[in-house]
This record gives sequence, C-alpha cells and structure tokens, in this order.
Amino acid sequence: AQSVTQPDIHITVSEGASLELRCNYSYGATPYLFWYVQSPGQGLQLLLKYFSGDTLVQGIKGFEAEFKRSQSSFNLRKPSVHWSDAAEYFCAVGAGGGSYIPTFGRGTSLIVHP
Amino acid sequence: DTEVTQTPKHLVMGMTNKKSLKCEQHMGHRAMYWYKQKAKKPPELMFVYSYEKLSINESVPSRFSPECPNSSLLNLHLHALQPEDSALYLCASSQDSAGNYGYTFGSGTRLTVV
Repeated sequence: AQSVTQPDIHITVSEGASLELRCNYSYGATPYLFWYVQSPGQGLQLLLKYFSGDTLVQGIKGFEAEFKRSQSSFNLRKPSVHWSDAAEYFCAVGAGGGSYIPTFGRGTSLIVHP
Repeated sequence: DTEVTQTPKHLVMGMTNKKSLKCEQHMGHRAMYWYKQKAKKPPELMFVYSYEKLSINESVPSRFSPECPNSSLLNLHLHALQPEDSALYLCASSQDSAGNYGYTFGSGTRLTVV
C-alpha cells in the first residue's frame, strides 16, 4: 500500500518570498502524485498532478512540483508567494493501474505574513 | 461546466432528524465520492460510486446512506446522527473509476449535529 508524508505541519513565509512544501511518498512502483489546496471553509482544488514524463510539473496559480524518484519526493514550489496563497496544502499519492483511491498526507498549513 | 455543486452549504440537525446532502456535476465524470473531513485533518473516504454503482463503502455506519440516482447526482442521506458526525462533507468526482487524473471537489457541506 502507498503512503505519503508531509513533514511540516505549518510553514510561515513573507509575501513575495519563495515557497517549498515537502512531500515524501512510499510506493514500490511509479506513483501517481497530486497536490491539492484548500482555502478555509472550501473544498480541495487540484493544483497539479504527475503521472509520467517530465519530472517538473507546472500547475495552476504559478505552482510547480518536481518528482524525484531517488528521494521519493514530490515537493511543491512557488517563486513568489501572495497573501491569497495562505491555505492548507495536501499531497496525495495514488497507486495507479486501476487502484484509484489516493492516500492523502496530513496537510501543511501555509501562513503568509505581509 | 467544470464544477461540483453541493447543497446545502451549512446544515444544523438534531440527533433525531433526517436530512440529505446533495451533490451534482455536469462534467460527464463517471465516478463520484463522498469524503468526511474534520478540522485540521485530511479528507477521509466514505463511499465511492463508479458508473452509478456503489463500489466502495469504507465501513461507514448505517446512519449514513448514499444514493446515486443518475450519473450527475449523488446524495447522502443522514439519520440519527451523533455529535461526533459534525464535520465538513465533501463530494468529489473524477473522469473515470481509475481516478488517476485527479478529483474535482465541491466546496462541501458544513454539518453540525446538536
């Protein structure tokens, strides 16, 4: 079975600073990887996904993530954070091949200081 | 239309009440899901419908009863709930039952059981 770890419960950055949120997964084969964002009181929105191919994935809202097989990581990055990026971020891993229920990480809360 | 619509947005119900949550999507997605989310936690899977048939029930208590009247609609019938059932209930859909293209989530129903 797959698992996912988000080691940081909270991350605080200043507006305009760069951001990196960490995600590590455990799965024997190439996983399907996702990042979702959840603003307070809202549902989750898919930021980006990785299945195969180019290991640097571009998403919505200026986010990108890089799949590193050697490190079992799929970290989310943004070069310049806006106050509206303050939210909860969830990494998720799916096993693919018809196993369609993703496993969510516990989430990382992003706090943005002005 | 690229949205999943959930109604109502907020619901307060007594422990003896019967109520229903509704979810609708018009993206032609063939899989639909109910998730439960407690504060500061990732979403927990409750039910999966694939091609209008219940395919997964994650050992959810019988006081929660899902229904999929057609490929666009998903209901969750609630009866005799407990205060610990208070949570954000999220509906999601995906293109196919593999779910590997990611989910589209609704904004949720905030349920309070009194």
